[in-house]
Amino acid sequence: DAGITQSPRHKVTETGTPVTLRCHQTENHRYMYWYRQDPGHGLRLIHYSYGVKDTDKGEVSDGYSVSRSKTEDFLLTLESATSSQTSVYFCAISADRGRGYTFGSGTRLTVV
Amino acid sequence: QQQVKQSPQSLIVQKGGISIINCAYENTAFDYFPWYQQFPGKGPALLIAIRPDVSEKKEGRFTISFNKSAKQFSLHIMDSQPGDSATYFCAARPNNNDMRFGAGTRLTVKP
Repeated sequence: DAGITQSPRHKVTETGTPVTLRCHQTENHRYMYWYRQDPGHGLRLIHYSYGVKDTDKGEVSDGYSVSRSKTEDFLLTLESATSSQTSVYFCAISADRGRGYTFGSGTRLTVV
Repeated sequence: QQQVKQSPQSLIVQKGGISIINCAYENTAFDYFPWYQQFPGKGPALLIAIRPDVSEKKEGRFTISFNKSAKQFSLHIMDSQPGDSATYFCAARPNNNDMRFGAGTRLTVKP
């Protein structure tokens, strides 16, 4: 999607290994979000950021950490991947909190 | 916990028919109600949105109906086309806070 890029698009990793997903935006939007998408659960918020070095937890933050050292980059880290973290991860950006989200194309993560 | 309940989980409609997806919310502090459309392998994209002071909003073949007293809102797709086949998410935003999404509805429009 224009203005927002997620990498990698696909990843297979082993249980217990650390994994970092990257979200990069060119829109200079203040707010950035990480969601996971699972069948029957829709999109659930993991962490969000409202500025450089300003982050907060969402509803499913256990096992995840984030960092935002630059406006354009928001990293999601799984400290020690577990099979329950197998999911599709989406990054979103917005200029206003909670409105006008633009989503990336997602990262499909499989933990084996 | 999910504050936005969406139904049905899946929906099959014939081409030219009307697709209706319903959502109910629990928090009266929600102030913005968007619908997102997601095609396979893509991220969700904003389709249409409504504020609670409006009972209906129409954009082309897509209409949101909003019932504030019942805390319900719905998406109507008129003259449904095979290209509308996608997953649809309703969402609601608490005042100046982060979006809450429904579980999604997979719509299939048969030719």
